Amino acid sequence: GESVGLHLPTLSVQEGDNSIINCAYSNSASDYFIWYKQESGKGPQFIIDIRSNMDKRQGQRVTVLLNKTVKHLSLQIAATQPGDSAVYFCAETRGAGSYQLTFGKGTKLSVIP
Amino acid sequence: DAMVIQNPRYQVTQFGKPVTLSCSQTLNHNVMYWYQQKSSQAPKLLFHYYDKDFNNEADTPDNFQSRRPNTSFCFLDIRSPGLGDAAMYLCATSSSTETQYFGPGTRLLVL
Repeated sequence: GESVGLHLPTLSVQEGDNSIINCAYSNSASDYFIWYKQESGKGPQFIIDIRSNMDKRQGQRVTVLLNKTVKHLSLQIAATQPGDSAVYFCAETRGAGSYQLTFGKGTKLSVIP
Repeated sequence: DAMVIQNPRYQVTQFGKPVTLSCSQTLNHNVMYWYQQKSSQAPKLLFHYYDKDFNNEADTPDNFQSRRPNTSFCFLDIRSPGLGDAAMYLCATSSSTETQYFGPGTRLLVL
């Protein structure tokens, strides 16, 4: 079945470095993508989203890139801080116009002080 | 400031004893979702309400039920919890757009 997956289950970065978390998706009909951050014992927290008619979107210290040709999504975190340590999930809509999400497996980001 | 509230944050129940988890929202969103999340896994959608319309996922066990008495509240009922139902249960809401906002979750322990 179609699903959203992540290339790397764990990522360790030095404090102050940039982090890149990758996500592959297979549903070509997906038109909306979200990145969530989940800290231990808490619910997922919305970080940033992007629609399929865009290639890039920037937020505060975060950038999401969408490559529809290869069905790839990435989250870039600039100047990674210890507070960025969490599990990051990408999610996609189940199809064009759908409001339901399919979550990827998650990447655990560990920031080394 | 809390927008999606879940109570309790931790729930302990006995094997086979019915349990109800609660979710409320101050966002006036028309869609409410319940997810199950096990350790080191992604959230798994159990069901959702679009307004008053209940939508069950095909693989959600009959043991899981839900009620939405009004826009603000939604309940997850587990009729006969098994050991395999121990998990974090997440409530989320959205308007008819796609962005879902999650509550802090209720961690369920089944003894």
